[in-house]
Amino acid sequence: GAGVSQSPSNKVTEKGKDVELRCDPISGHTALYWYRQSLGQGLEFLIYFQGNSAPDKSGLPSDRFSAERTGGSVSTLTIQRTQQEDSAVYLCASSRAGGGSEKLFFGSGTQLSVL
Amino acid sequence: AQSVTQLGSHVSVSEGALVLLRCNYSSSVPPYLFWYVQYPNQGLQLLLKYTSAATLVKGINGFEAEFKKSETSFHLTKPSAHMSDAAEYFCAVSKNTGNQFYFGTGTSLTVIP
Repeated sequence: GAGVSQSPSNKVTEKGKDVELRCDPISGHTALYWYRQSLGQGLEFLIYFQGNSAPDKSGLPSDRFSAERTGGSVSTLTIQRTQQEDSAVYLCASSRAGGGSEKLFFGSGTQLSVL
Repeated sequence: AQSVTQLGSHVSVSEGALVLLRCNYSSSVPPYLFWYVQYPNQGLQLLLKYTSAATLVKGINGFEAEFKKSETSFHLTKPSAHMSDAAEYFCAVSKNTGNQFYFGTGTSLTVIP
């Protein structure tokens, strides 16, 4: 695809429900990141995938959050038993390779609202 | 530990005026530094990045930033603001080892006609 694709663009759910957010990175990009963007706050790192390496899950805020990346491509972020404080924009980014000098390509995000 | 501070969550400038968005970082090692821009309803896009080459970095759309190690700053400037520059701007820092990018809280730029 031309860019990083995220779906859905908007998700409204009830407190306690589970949600799945999808990210389709740019073809050939080996690194994939999930960030959370809350009002008035910067981007909060959640998780990082690089090739076949074990993911860096150090940013996941609780065990209600999990993510997987199948076949080194599409990634799904799952939030179980959603809480109101989970309401935010969830951003996915990919890069050609891992490492701190790489340019990140971001999707448009999923706006999650937990009622 | 690394962190990024963006002074001023909202900046307003008149069309044609100088744009100055401030970013200071803390890093225990020489970092990589980035500016990203987020237009309404779009994902973040890279404006420019510093990776230890020239300290004055030129980016897209007429923006540039200067790395000043003594001031631990990486301020973003543009000589003449356009209406189309209205957006949210994020400063970010990373290390050459590891995989984490640390983003500031963002500065919303308004351009007044």
